[in-house]
Order: sequence, then C-alpha cells, then structure tokens
Amino acid sequence: GIQVEQSPPDLILQEGANSTLRCNFSDSVNNLQWFHQNPWGQLINLFYIPSGTKQNGRLSATTVATERYSLLYISSSQTTDSGVYFCAVGISNFGNEKLTFGTGTRLTIIP
Amino acid sequence: EPEVTQTPSHQVTQMGQEVILRCVPISNHLYFYWYRQILGQKVEFLVSFYNNEISEKSEIFDDQFSVERPDGSNFTLKIRSTKLEDSAMYFCASRTGPPNYGYTFGSGTRLTVV
Repeated sequence: GIQVEQSPPDLILQEGANSTLRCNFSDSVNNLQWFHQNPWGQLINLFYIPSGTKQNGRLSATTVATERYSLLYISSSQTTDSGVYFCAVGISNFGNEKLTFGTGTRLTIIP
Repeated sequence: EPEVTQTPSHQVTQMGQEVILRCVPISNHLYFYWYRQILGQKVEFLVSFYNNEISEKSEIFDDQFSVERPDGSNFTLKIRSTKLEDSAMYFCASRTGPPNYGYTFGSGTRLTVV
C-alpha cells in the first residue's frame, strides 16, 4: 500500500515562530488532506489539497503532486497551534476511497 | 459549517460487552467511514460504506465489528465482544461525491475497555 512519511516527528518552537511541516508519499494521489489533532483528540480539517497552494489565515499548504510531497506552513505560531498535525492521502478515483494517514508531526508552541 | 456528530464522546465498557458507537454524517454526503486511533499511534482505516453496503474493510475489521445505517441519518459501529485492545479513539467520517472529495471527520468517541 501507499506509504506516507511526515517530518519532523517532533517540533518545539517559541510563540511567534514560523514552521514548515513536510509530508512525502510513495505513489500518485487523488486526495491529500492536512489535519490538526488538538489536545482533546479532535481531528480538525485544515486543507483539502491534492495539488497546488492554498492559504487560510496564518496557515498555508502546498502540494507538488508530481514530486509526491506536500508542505504545511504555519506562521506566527500561537500556543493554540500545539497538537499533532497529520497528512492523509487517498489514491482512488472512486468516491469510496480510504485515506492513509502519516505518523504525524507533534508541534509544541512554548509561550 | 456542517458537522459530523458522534456520540458518546467517551465510553467505558467492560471486556466482553457489546458497544455501539453512533454517528450522524453530513446530510448530503454519500460515503461513510470509520477510522480508529490507538493512543499515541496514527489513524487507521476500518471500513467504508456506500449505498447501504460495505465498500471496503481493513484487516482490523473482523467479525466482531459491524456497521449499519438504520434510518438514513445515523451511521453506527457495533463491537460485539470488546477486548482490551479495542481501546482507542473511533472517528466517523463522511464525504460527498465528486468534484470535492474532502473528508469531514467527527470529533471522535474515546472507547476504554476495562
């Protein structure tokens, strides 16, 4: 099956810093999403981004599908950004495809 | 923004008991899923459901698991005889058809088997 690797596994930053999280995947994908898992365990959908670039406030994401990677940028980090960030990919053209998740990047923002 | 609703948020059950986890997907979505996350690990696919039948299931989804969409709005996951290793966060998700394939996940049910 498809392999999804995320780096770095852990990241500790001061409040206000910027960060870049990376997701590499081993096959062509039709679906790629970034999620934030907050300390209560909820999965918050950040971006649906199988290709191209999107921005939402302090967050932006870029997927280069031909090179099989995606990047999530967080600018001016806040303590509420802490949590685990997951990249998840799907490879089917059919609606019932499943997502394969990466192992996540644990981000800790220190005040 | 439409949400996927899961209940209960936390359930504690004794080993060997049956549990039913409930989900209300987004109303115009067509595809429904259950995923699970054992504490500290990544999120894993369990089962997908479309047109009132299972589309795909993982190796984890053995005979003790079943899914149902009994009334056109609820989507349930039943675990017949719980084991300690079933302790995990269970996520329901749904998605619409093309062109937008994005998933919406519920906030999860934390199942603790004691």
